[in-house]
Amino acid sequence: DSGVTQTPKHLITATGQRVTLRCSPRSGDLSVYWYQQSLDQGLQFLIQYYNGEERAKGNILERFSAQQFPDLHSELNLSSLELGDSALYFCASSRQGGASTDTQYFGPGTRLTVL
Amino acid sequence: GDSVTQMEGPVTLSEEAFLTINCTYTATGYPSLFWYVQYPGEGLQLLLKATKADDKGSNKGFEATYRKETTSFHLEKGSVQVSDSAVYFCALSDYGGSQGNLIFGKGTKLSVKP
Repeated sequence: DSGVTQTPKHLITATGQRVTLRCSPRSGDLSVYWYQQSLDQGLQFLIQYYNGEERAKGNILERFSAQQFPDLHSELNLSSLELGDSALYFCASSRQGGASTDTQYFGPGTRLTVL
Repeated sequence: GDSVTQMEGPVTLSEEAFLTINCTYTATGYPSLFWYVQYPGEGLQLLLKATKADDKGSNKGFEATYRKETTSFHLEKGSVQVSDSAVYFCALSDYGGSQGNLIFGKGTKLSVKP
């Protein structure tokens, strides 16, 4: 158990809908990262938050957005969903988020299926 | 940009065989290197890491040495078990280049037969 929690575990929805994925980081970690894992793209970095502020952006679509709240939990919002958004979405957390020696610990993931 | 290349799988071995999974990287700065493991139906677990050249990371019988001259971080284990069956990901983080997110290889699926 990494200490990172994600809800829900599974999510099934229809095209055009909007969903929210939730992540709680390990106690004491200030950074939260979101990754997407799909068969064709592999593991792709989406976005990072550090202590409530956006720190870095990766291959995140404009239909996707995220935020980190004062209690440091984070939410990833996916809207106007398409079939191709079906994937495993991982959240990771780290103590800081600004040092290459920082280690990221991953949650169990949310499996999103868009029908 | 930064990238990680690891050997294509799947890799199938018999129990107690020697394992090597090759990983090479390209980075603009001084990355840290990681191996993560994903067991079926689960998330990623950190297996080992190395933060500078010539460092050796080790855990659960797995080892990898950070070789700057060959830009490699190959994963090895002397005697694999059925329970090692999983997908292994090599990754780097380079705060100088990619602002700290992890860049992953495509993963190598390992199957160990009894």
